[in-house]
Amino acid sequence: KNEVEQSPQNLTAQEGEFITINCSYSVGISALHWLQQHPGGGIVSLFMLSSGKKKHGRLIATINIQEKHSSLHITASHPRDSAVYICAVRSPSGSRLTFGEGTQLTVNP
Amino acid sequence: DTGVSQNPRHKITKRGQNVTFRCDPISEHNRLYWYRQTLGQGPEFLTYFQNEAQLEKSRLLSDRFSAERPKGSFSTLEIQRTEQGDSAMYLCASSIDSGRVEQYFGPGTRLTVT
Repeated sequence: KNEVEQSPQNLTAQEGEFITINCSYSVGISALHWLQQHPGGGIVSLFMLSSGKKKHGRLIATINIQEKHSSLHITASHPRDSAVYICAVRSPSGSRLTFGEGTQLTVNP
Repeated sequence: DTGVSQNPRHKITKRGQNVTFRCDPISEHNRLYWYRQTLGQGPEFLTYFQNEAQLEKSRLLSDRFSAERPKGSFSTLEIQRTEQGDSAMYLCASSIDSGRVEQYFGPGTRLTVT
């Protein structure tokens, strides 16, 4: 069992739909990151969370430390949101990230 | 552009050859990380530096792999005697010296071993 599990692996949505991607982890962490990766490899950091909830534009990320679970929500999805979304947890020492396998999101017009 | 840069962006090599990749971090960042990502998978941690000191290495980093950061600025990752299983995207990231900060990723070097 991976230390970081994401679901679903693949998600197809219609433009305008509300999207949720889930991440569960089984290790102690100092923070959790949500990352976006477009074709070609470039990775962009969306959020870093250690508690509660953060919002940036149409993106919302939440974390429940007790349940070791985080969610990434996209409101009013758009085709430009199509990408791989990756959850990563930071070790308690802060030295390394452990990544989930990613969720491939496709938003159709 | 003041982001993390990696060179080359693509490398095709024959099995058994040696390859070297370079990463230039954001200038004020003293932590530098190397990750490997195979197709359809999330990245995996390889190693990280704080300034010129290599502080942690993953068991994924076999003795064919070596990383250096001689002056605490750019870093190189060398793979000796490449194998087809080394084909992957090699990602570099950097951050300031603190546990709870963002890591900024480079565009990656895609290695194909034929």
